[in-house]
Amino acid sequence: QKEVEQNSGPLSVPEGAIASLNCTYSDRGSQSFFWYRQYSGKSPELIMFIYSNGDKEDGRFTAQLNKASQYVSLLIRDSQPSDSATYLCAVRGTNFGNEKLTFGTGTRLTIIP
Amino acid sequence: GAVVSQHPSRVICKSGTSVKIECRSLDFQATTMFWYRQFPKQSLMLMATSNEGSKATYEQGVEKDKFLINHASLTLSTLTVTSAHPEDSSFYICSAQGFYGYTFGSGTRLTVV
Repeated sequence: QKEVEQNSGPLSVPEGAIASLNCTYSDRGSQSFFWYRQYSGKSPELIMFIYSNGDKEDGRFTAQLNKASQYVSLLIRDSQPSDSATYLCAVRGTNFGNEKLTFGTGTRLTIIP
Repeated sequence: GAVVSQHPSRVICKSGTSVKIECRSLDFQATTMFWYRQFPKQSLMLMATSNEGSKATYEQGVEKDKFLINHASLTLSTLTVTSAHPEDSSFYICSAQGFYGYTFGSGTRLTVV
């Protein structure tokens, strides 16, 4: 079982709609979760991080965490063509002194004008 | 905000030569530097973790003698790809961990011909 799993997509969403991206992780002790956006040929840029169960909102973005289900998601409201990118879910290591991020394979999102 | 400068952005080298990639945190001290490699349409794979003044910790399957990492100061880490071969062609990205969390460099596209 992969440590961090995402649906690779592609996921196509009409402009203005809500895009929903999902991620599951295997280490039940994980505490910190990150969503990154990566445009083709560029390095990842942080969208949001979440530590606590529930929802965390930042502008058009909402991260949702359910530790019992080992599930984290990202919602993008009012999707724009500029949101078309690959979205990477990352989980921080749980061992003391090991704070590396483990990335999922990413979901490619296309917003259709 | 935290900025990480990564150079060069692109490099083409001949097979058998060595290439050095530099990653510098410009406005913060990076306690830990992570080096990733990303092949086309794949996710980021962690190669190694380095802390200032100590030897790097390499992930399983990564040849430490081929990918030399030096983290001589809290603001500078380098990755040297020695005796590069075409299969080393990839997108290399550094990530510095500091007060602001994880900050990624802009990446280096290495092409070995």
